[in-house]
Amino acid sequence: EAGVTQFPSHSVIEKGQTVTLRCDPISGHDNLYWYRRVMGKEIKFLLHFVKESKQDESGMPNNRFLAERTGGTYSTLKVQPAELEDSGVYFCASSQGGGNQPQHFGDGTRLSIL
Amino acid sequence: QQQVKQSPQSLIVQKGGISIINCAYENTAFDYFPWYQQFPGKGPALLIAIRPDVSEKKEGRFTISFNKSAKQFSLHIMDSQPGDSATYFCAAGDAGNNRKLIWGLGTSLAVNP
Repeated sequence: EAGVTQFPSHSVIEKGQTVTLRCDPISGHDNLYWYRRVMGKEIKFLLHFVKESKQDESGMPNNRFLAERTGGTYSTLKVQPAELEDSGVYFCASSQGGGNQPQHFGDGTRLSIL
Repeated sequence: QQQVKQSPQSLIVQKGGISIINCAYENTAFDYFPWYQQFPGKGPALLIAIRPDVSEKKEGRFTISFNKSAKQFSLHIMDSQPGDSATYFCAAGDAGNNRKLIWGLGTSLAVNP
């Protein structure tokens, strides 16, 4: 079984540009989460999809961030325009439907804003 | 304000020794406490998890101890090996909040041969 796949693994862009991160969850997993770790800080929740619906987006920093999950399969996270403080590692996780299911993480996208 | 406090920030243990990492939480609604292991360049991987209805859970060399009244839980790694050298994260979640995980800052463990 393929794990959670994220790409790109690393992205370096200039302030003001746009970047789109992609996450392919484990096949059949209804739940998809985005998290971010800024250097020196804890991993923080960004948002949660159940299938194609946003269940909780309370962790999204501001309206420069847009997440989608068309068709309930892969998800994208777009940052537009990128700011210096957006630098960090963005992780995606997925889990099966139902309660008490473990979250499986991808290897993350390291985003550097110059 | 951190909802999950993890200590120590870094830990050095000799091969064969016991590694102990501690976490404390505030929110009594949390009902799921996983520990994740992360190697450089990789994502966090679930190691072991516990729910508040048990005080201890053991899987191989890894044990979680849970103290509900103190709102604390800890990870013990017995017979630590150099291959255990990694960053360990505790986290907490609750079913009423879509199981989003609240994380500790992480502990960098180095096991010397």
